[in-house]
Amino acid sequence: KAGVTQTPRYLIKTRGQQVTLSCSPISGHRSVSWYQQTPGQGLQFLFEYFSETQRNKGNFPGRFSGRQFSNSRSEMNVSTLELGDSALYLCASSLGRASYEQYFGPGTRLTVT
Amino acid sequence: AQSVTQLGSHVSVSEGALVLLRCNYSSSVPPYLFWYVQYPNQGLQLLLKYTTGATLVKGINGFEAEFKKSETSFHLTKPSAHMSDAAEYFCAVTPNAGNMLTFGGGTRLMVKP
Repeated sequence: KAGVTQTPRYLIKTRGQQVTLSCSPISGHRSVSWYQQTPGQGLQFLFEYFSETQRNKGNFPGRFSGRQFSNSRSEMNVSTLELGDSALYLCASSLGRASYEQYFGPGTRLTVT
Repeated sequence: AQSVTQLGSHVSVSEGALVLLRCNYSSSVPPYLFWYVQYPNQGLQLLLKYTTGATLVKGINGFEAEFKKSETSFHLTKPSAHMSDAAEYFCAVTPNAGNMLTFGGGTRLMVKP
């Protein structure tokens, strides 16, 4: 079974631009979660989607948004990029709402200049 | 609210020596606890998890962890370190069996030949 895939793997953007990251979960998984990883703040939960509905949201500004499609693929969008948004963005998928095991993708490395 | 503290951001051991990575948590409800490993330029891989039942849990690659409620700890151990164990290790908690993980700051394990 193919693992979680994230595209693109690397991205360079300029302050003020917006960016969309994509995540394809493992086949059959219905829950997708997003995390931000930075050297200063560590790993922080962004949001979770299950069956196209946002189920949980972390403490991030409204510039960070996401969605999930009927095939469980998910996208996250960051508008008006700031230098501090430079991070590794990780997507994780799991079977359901409480499956205890999340499988992580390799991440998208976003650099904001 | 829950939180996770990992004592020691860097741990160095000799090949063949015992590995002990410390994790303490706080949670207002019975926690579900996880250890993940991250190799350079990769996502997170689940090593082991504690949900309910037996407090000593065994994971992949020879790692195990013991849930000690009285000490609010979930330390990770491996009897004999391999060079291939060099990576960053993250302890995580979720209070409600959901998919919203709170991570510790991580511990970078270095293995000396």
